[in-house]
Amino acid sequence: QEQLVQSGAEVKKPGSSVKVSCKASGDIFNNHGVTWVRQAPGQGLEWVGGIIPTFGTTNYEQRFQGRLTIIADKSTNTAYMELSGLKSDDTAVYYCAAGGPNYCRGGTCYSGAADYWGQGTLVTVSS
Amino acid sequence: DIQMTQSPSSLSASVGDRVTITCQASQDITNYLSWYQQKPGRAPKLLIYDASNLETGVPSRFSGSASGTDFTLTISSLQPEDSATYYCQQYDNVPLSFGGGTKVEI
Repeated sequence: QEQLVQSGAEVKKPGSSVKVSCKASGDIFNNHGVTWVRQAPGQGLEWVGGIIPTFGTTNYEQRFQGRLTIIADKSTNTAYMELSGLKSDDTAVYYCAAGGPNYCRGGTCYSGAADYWGQGTLVTVSS
Repeated sequence: DIQMTQSPSSLSASVGDRVTITCQASQDITNYLSWYQQKPGRAPKLLIYDASNLETGVPSRFSGSASGTDFTLTISSLQPEDSATYYCQQYDNVPLSFGGGTKVEI
């Protein structure tokens, strides 16, 4: 049974950066992409972006462009999400997810429905 | 971008009731839609993928269906452990997008 284990909670100042890790127990990244989803307190789910480690392709939600970097280290089965220029409304639980099939459309590839999820990482942005 | 409109935002039902949640896509997404269940303080759990395929290990009282751009999650006989928030998600194209969620209370 695959498991995704995320790094611990973070408290950050506005304008700073946060890097969240997501380590897979097996070689799930060899066959599947990784998706990052966030959930602000009391709110719904929001897709942040994703990466297909095998293809090296990334996709980001447009409104995070320029602030978001997603990478994957296949040698350690670990994915990372780094968000810079933090604002108070970036306060959320950030989840990594993996396991779904990959799809390629219009020159880009991304991961679909995910059956493995990390436990979530709370990122609090506060002065 | 594809918008997912989910309804209702909340509902209250009794054990044994049949419950239906709907999601409407703003454009054709073929059947690239999944349904997730989320309980407080927990990560989402995949229930249905490709609109109607039941994820392994998910009870058969959960089912999904599609008609054009309208998608439905049905719980045939509501159980106490089904109290949760349910989300649809389209993965026809990036950016992926979720519905607003439906909170089911029992």
